[in-house]
Amino acid sequence: GDSVTQMEGPVTLSEEAFLTINCTYTATGYPSLFWYVQYPGEGLQLLLKATKADDKGSNKGFEATYRKETTSFHLEKGSVQVSDSAVYFCALSDRLKNTGNQFYFGTGTSLTVIP
Amino acid sequence: DVKVTQSSRYLVKRTGEKVFLECVQDMDHENMFWYRQDPGLGLRLIYFSYDVKMKEKGDIPEGYSVSREKKERFSLILESASTNQTSMYLCASSLIPHSEARETQYFGPGTRLLVL
Repeated sequence: GDSVTQMEGPVTLSEEAFLTINCTYTATGYPSLFWYVQYPGEGLQLLLKATKADDKGSNKGFEATYRKETTSFHLEKGSVQVSDSAVYFCALSDRLKNTGNQFYFGTGTSLTVIP
Repeated sequence: DVKVTQSSRYLVKRTGEKVFLECVQDMDHENMFWYRQDPGLGLRLIYFSYDVKMKEKGDIPEGYSVSREKKERFSLILESASTNQTSMYLCASSLIPHSEARETQYFGPGTRLLVL
């Protein structure tokens, strides 16, 4: 079945450091891939997405490229800020048996950025 | 903007109580979902619904039921709450995709439930 594996945290970085959070997936079809972010005490918010191979999703300085050959969707940011401290979830979306789509989430990676 | 609201941010209930968690979305989405979020386990799908009065079991439906009488509202019911149902509960909604693109799920703020 479909699944997502992302690197375990927690990750602690200094401000302006480079961030990579690894994500790999297993899927039977051609899924869309997503990164969601959860700030303390809040629900999940969409950060970026990519719907087909070689697409690059980007938002707020974060980027991720859909790599079909390596089944990966790693999240990167060149210079993190304290306000980026949150939990990041990688997810894939594939067809439900009736209609719509079902999401599969990774376990989340907690990021703390220190000044 | 899509808005998904959940009836409570925090709830404290006693073992054996019947608990209702309500979720409302204002964007006419067909699909609605209930997840629970636990440390180290990520999000796990409890139930989903792709239309009014339609429901499907997710990965962990035991101990839960759902109700979708109106398109905008999806309720999660704990028939007899137990301590192992202490968790963060997240509701989400999405459109049925009309193309090869997969639609985004939009999440509510979550309900943190403590069962004593």
